[in-house]
Amino acid sequence: SAVISQKPSRDICQRGTSLTIQCQVDSQVTMMFWYRQQPGQSLTLIATANQGSEATYESGFVIDKFPISRPNLTFSTLTVSNMSPEDSSIYLCSVTPTSGIPDTQYFGPGTRLTVL
Amino acid sequence: SQKIEQNSEALNIQEGKTATLTCNYTNYSPAYLQWYRQDPGRGPVFLLLIRENEKEKRKERLKVTFDTTLKQSLFHITASQPADSATYLCALNSGGYQKVTFGTGTKLQVIP
Repeated sequence: SAVISQKPSRDICQRGTSLTIQCQVDSQVTMMFWYRQQPGQSLTLIATANQGSEATYESGFVIDKFPISRPNLTFSTLTVSNMSPEDSSIYLCSVTPTSGIPDTQYFGPGTRLTVL
Repeated sequence: SQKIEQNSEALNIQEGKTATLTCNYTNYSPAYLQWYRQDPGRGPVFLLLIRENEKEKRKERLKVTFDTTLKQSLFHITASQPADSATYLCALNSGGYQKVTFGTGTKLQVIP
């Protein structure tokens, strides 16, 4: 299995500012994903981070609001731009490793974001 | 529209009993279904994957069944322990390559 770290683990931000969340994996992975989990809700996929190309966004999520980078096979960032209180959520990075059970996902510990 | 339903109400059971959690889906034809465990403040942890051509899969005290006719999966924890208390998420592949959609989860509380 892959070990995934996320930074920061939590943050409190002011409305209108931006926050960049980092996801680092200890091994090369095929797929990296970013999810949002609002209080009491399940996980909602924001986008698939593609190495060396633009991320693939799900319906309701746009690049201007959630720019994503993936410069290599083990690292990705998600930026939450021009934040509002509605962006308060837990943001989770997940990966699908190159070995192991296909299609399973391994999750990072999450970043808890509060927007005031 | 596609929907994954898990019992949103918490399930409370006595230690030692078998916990059974349900996942129902509509408008999907998943090739496989997965179960994850999520503890408060942590990311989900993969438990089991069952494919459409498998009826049942076991791992230690865990058992998953998959009925594609009923569009339902059952997740069983036998000889439950307080340490099994967590939220359990069902997930289906939603057509894209290695892309899954998660249910809302069922919170399990095992009472000593």
